[in-house]
Amino acid sequence: GDSVTQMEGPVTLSEEAFLTINCTYTATGYPSLFWYVQYPGEGLQLLLKATKADDKGSNKGFEATYRKETTSFHLEKGSVQVSDSAVYFCALSGLIMIYNQGGKLIFGQGTELSVKP
Amino acid sequence: DTEVTQTPKHLVMGMTNKKSLKCEQHMGHRAMYWYKQKAKKPPELMFVYSYEKLSINESVPSRFSPECPNSSLLNLHLHALQPEDSALYLCASSQGLRGREQYFGPGTRLTVT
Repeated sequence: GDSVTQMEGPVTLSEEAFLTINCTYTATGYPSLFWYVQYPGEGLQLLLKATKADDKGSNKGFEATYRKETTSFHLEKGSVQVSDSAVYFCALSGLIMIYNQGGKLIFGQGTELSVKP
Repeated sequence: DTEVTQTPKHLVMGMTNKKSLKCEQHMGHRAMYWYKQKAKKPPELMFVYSYEKLSINESVPSRFSPECPNSSLLNLHLHALQPEDSALYLCASSQGLRGREQYFGPGTRLTVT
């Protein structure tokens, strides 16, 4: 079945450091790919998305490129801030199980990022 | 507006209580979801509603009972829960078509005593 593998955390960086969180996937067909962020005590927020090969999603200084040849969707940011401390989830849209509306999101295990001043 | 709202924010209940969680969205989305999340783990899908009909039940125990009164509302009725059911319960919605992103609410933090 479809699956997502993320680099394990926790990841600790100093402010203004470069961030990479690796994400690879296994899926049938051509899934859409997402990064979600969860700040402490909150729900998940959609950070960025890409729906086809070579698409680059970007938001708030974060970027990720849909690489079909390597089945990857790595998250990057050039200069992290303390406020970026959160748990980051890579996800893909799974196959529709029954109806042609609404799909299952397949999540990676999450990577906890801690940014120190 | 990409907001999904959930009430209550926190809930403490005994194992013999009956309570309900509520979720609302006004984005015109036709698919709505309930997830359960343990600390620092990915959300686990519980139920999917599509056009107000239950389309996926991920083998969730019957002490959890979902309801979709209309296209904007989703409820989760709770009865005779166990302490291991303590978790963050997240509601989400999506436009519906395959590959579309889901928008999550802030969650209800449930503690079962």
